[in-house]
Amino acid sequence: QKEVEQDPGPLSVPEGAIVSLNCTYSNSAFQYFMWYRQYSRKGPELLMYTYSSGNKEDGRFTAQVDKSSKYISLFIRDSQPSDSATYLCAMSEDSSASKIIFGSGTRLSIRP
Amino acid sequence: DAEITQSPRHKITETGRQVTLACHQTWNHNNMFWYRQDLGHGLRLIHYSYGVQDTNKGEVSDGYSVSRSNTEDLPLTLESAASSQTSVYFCASSDPGRETQYFGPGTRLLVL
Repeated sequence: QKEVEQDPGPLSVPEGAIVSLNCTYSNSAFQYFMWYRQYSRKGPELLMYTYSSGNKEDGRFTAQVDKSSKYISLFIRDSQPSDSATYLCAMSEDSSASKIIFGSGTRLSIRP
Repeated sequence: DAEITQSPRHKITETGRQVTLACHQTWNHNNMFWYRQDLGHGLRLIHYSYGVQDTNKGEVSDGYSVSRSNTEDLPLTLESAASSQTSVYFCASSDPGRETQYFGPGTRLLVL
């Protein structure tokens, strides 16, 4: 069993829809949770970063962590075609960014 | 602006040949990483380094080696390329206390 499980998609939704992306994990020592966005033929870039359980909002993006269920989510409101990308969840046990475990990524397409 | 670069961006080689992929960062980060990205597997860690002269094996290190002679560079060498090493390779860097790894643009390697 992988430490981090993520549905690969692809997921296709119409512009303006609310998108929900999810990951589950097995390691209860994970404390730091991240979402990276990766455009086609580019490297991943950090989108959201949260510590422990709870919600964090940044513009149209909300990251949610439920440590009791070992489940994290990323919500995108008012989705735009420019949000079309692969989204990778990632997590680590400490804040040093020295050992990050990545999910396999969900490919998202927003239809105009 | 500080950045992380990879070269070449695309490479075709034959099985059995030695191949070296370059990674150069100008942030003066201590930590550097090499990942490979394959469909269904996400990002898998090959090797990493926490500083000059320090190298460590990651999850999928067989057939790969790295050396760290200065802060800026971490070249990845495929000793004898195999078709199973056809992949997209990403280099990343981070510093202790920073919350993320910064990724390069990737190198697409095809081993025939």
